[in-house]
Amino acid sequence: GAGVSQSPSNKVTEKGKDVELRCDPISGHTALYWYRQRLGQGLEFLIYFQGNSAPDKSGLPSDRFSAERTGESVSTLTIQRTQQEDSAVYLCASSSGGKGNTIYFGEGSWLTVV
Amino acid sequence: GESVGLHLPTLSVQEGDNSIINCAYSNSASDYFIWYKQESGKGPQFIIDIRSNMDKRQGQRVTVLLNKTVKHLSLQIAATQPGDSAVYFCAESRSGGSNYKLTFGKGTLLTVNP
Repeated sequence: GAGVSQSPSNKVTEKGKDVELRCDPISGHTALYWYRQRLGQGLEFLIYFQGNSAPDKSGLPSDRFSAERTGESVSTLTIQRTQQEDSAVYLCASSSGGKGNTIYFGEGSWLTVV
Repeated sequence: GESVGLHLPTLSVQEGDNSIINCAYSNSASDYFIWYKQESGKGPQFIIDIRSNMDKRQGQRVTVLLNKTVKHLSLQIAATQPGDSAVYFCAESRSGGSNYKLTFGKGTLLTVNP
């Protein structure tokens, strides 16, 4: 597609349930990022994938959070046993890799844990 | 700790005036900076970037200034329009090697009054 695509756009889930968020990066982009944005706040880095290199998972807030990426394509962010503090927008971004290449964001997946 | 922050959380200007949004960073190793615009309910949109070997870069109606001496970054918007109303984030990249991640400031809300 023309841009970074994320699904679902909105998700309401009950506390304790698992959720899976999907990101389709721009075709050909080797770098993929996940960020979290709480209401009225800036973006928090979660995880970074670059080609076949080991991902940088340093931003994942707990072991309930995990992410996978299939080659240089789709990525899924999984949150297990969701808590109310997980409520946020989860933003995916991609770039052609390397420093200085423009990073393009998707519209985000709005997660509400009730 | 290390962070990217903003001097002004809100800025209100009259349509047609010039706007200046400021950002401070604390890590002298940061060498790549980006400004993003985020409209309500949308993902961040790339505006302009600058590398540390430059002190000024111009785009369409926007100029980014970098002062490495005082670790300060600013975004100037000329002839501000109502469509410029949004939250503006600065972001910096500080890592070397093949991986990098962006660290975002908290954002400045720009309101343009007609």
